Amino acid sequence: QSVLTQPPSVSAAPGQRVTISCSGSSSNIGSNYVSWYQQLPRTAPKVLIYENNKRPSGIPGRFSGSKSGTSATLAITGLQTGDEADYYCATWDSSLTAVFGGGTRLTVL
Amino acid sequence: EVQLVQSGAEVKKPGESLRVSCKTSGYTFINYWVAWVRQMPGRGLEWMGNVYPGDSDTRYSPSFRGQGTISADKSITTAYLQWNSLKASDTGIYYCARLRGSYGSGSYFFEFWGQGTLVTVSS
Repeated sequence: QSVLTQPPSVSAAPGQRVTISCSGSSSNIGSNYVSWYQQLPRTAPKVLIYENNKRPSGIPGRFSGSKSGTSATLAITGLQTGDEADYYCATWDSSLTAVFGGGTRLTVL
Repeated sequence: EVQLVQSGAEVKKPGESLRVSCKTSGYTFINYWVAWVRQMPGRGLEWMGNVYPGDSDTRYSPSFRGQGTISADKSITTAYLQWNSLKASDTGIYYCARLRGSYGSGSYFFEFWGQGTLVTVSS
């Protein structure tokens, strides 16, 4: 059971928009920044979003993040087949430990 | 270019010891936390702990405290994850990652990742 709750799976057609939610509590998401990671099959995770809504250089603008209260959302627009992957949210909690969401598998139909 | 290169896959028996390494380059090693993250077969990411090479400050997840030791060697810019007595439940892929953020701001994130080390523990 992960501290942060994500839907196990989401799906959408190419070109469509999909959102992935990440729900936490006042001691983690409510008090700290959220980051998002993409893990393509059989590869290491890669950061997509940090500090709730910032994108590292090289990450397309199709990926965006937001946070409200104790929840965060990753949005992906203009879906491509290459976006099929597992997506994880992460943050820190009041005891200075990192917590990950359980992960969401994105299927591009 | 920042790089984190991990040691190769290992197959061990229960009770054996193991040290996995994470050789870093392309940045000032002592100035950034290095984290270890576990991924059990078919499962999600789990944070194990961090080490700050500048002063060897180490933080552990309550779930992993006592199950492995995280350390760093400044002289060779390498971080380590070590077990004294492996269990079958230690089987998984272990990633090292460099953190970036501002102390006390809750902004840390896993900026650069190693390629992962598969550890298989089986009798």
